[in-house]
Amino acid sequence: AQTVTQSQPEMSVQEAETVTLSCTYDTSESDYYLFWYKQPPSRQMILVIRQEAYKQQNATENRFSVNFQKAAKSFSLKISDSQLGDAAMYFCAYRRPTYNQGGKLIFGQGTELSVKP
Amino acid sequence: EAGVVQSPRYKIIEKKQPVAFWCNPISGHNTLYWYLQNLGQGPELLIRYENEEAVDDSQLPKDRFSAERLKGVDSTLKIQPAELGDSAVYLCASTFPRAPQTQYFGPGTRLLVL
Repeated sequence: AQTVTQSQPEMSVQEAETVTLSCTYDTSESDYYLFWYKQPPSRQMILVIRQEAYKQQNATENRFSVNFQKAAKSFSLKISDSQLGDAAMYFCAYRRPTYNQGGKLIFGQGTELSVKP
Repeated sequence: EAGVVQSPRYKIIEKKQPVAFWCNPISGHNTLYWYLQNLGQGPELLIRYENEEAVDDSQLPKDRFSAERLKGVDSTLKIQPAELGDSAVYLCASTFPRAPQTQYFGPGTRLLVL
């Protein structure tokens, strides 16, 4: 069974600085998807970034980028120029491809990010 | 485009009472998910629907939980009777058939069982 581990329960960053959130996962499959979701106190889960395992290039979305190391099964999220609005719980998630009984997201335990002004 | 709608946002009930949550996915999204999120943890799947068919309900505690999606659009999740341990956030998500990789979540229903 696939598992996702986030070893940092809490992280803190100064406004305008850069922070990296860690995520490791365990799977025997070669094709899958990885995600970072943001969950602010309002509870709405918001997609931050997505990575397809078959792509070697790391995904980037504005100030958010990932470091995808497939062999090491590592998927970290880098937030550049941190803003107060980035404060939230961040979840790393794994998903099997649709053709292989894909569907559900398997989430890590989350990392609570605080941003200091 | 309207997002995933859930109601109620908050619900407080006494143990052994029944409770129901409603979800309306984004228009055109044929896959619908119900997740359970306990405090301080990541969500876990309860049930997944493809149109009106439940294709993955292996994690749904069927002795007290039930769900339906009769017309393949909105869905209801029910707990009867509720227990103290059911206090959690219940999240609904949906995906578009042409882009099934990305799930869009609703705001969730926070349940407190006293």
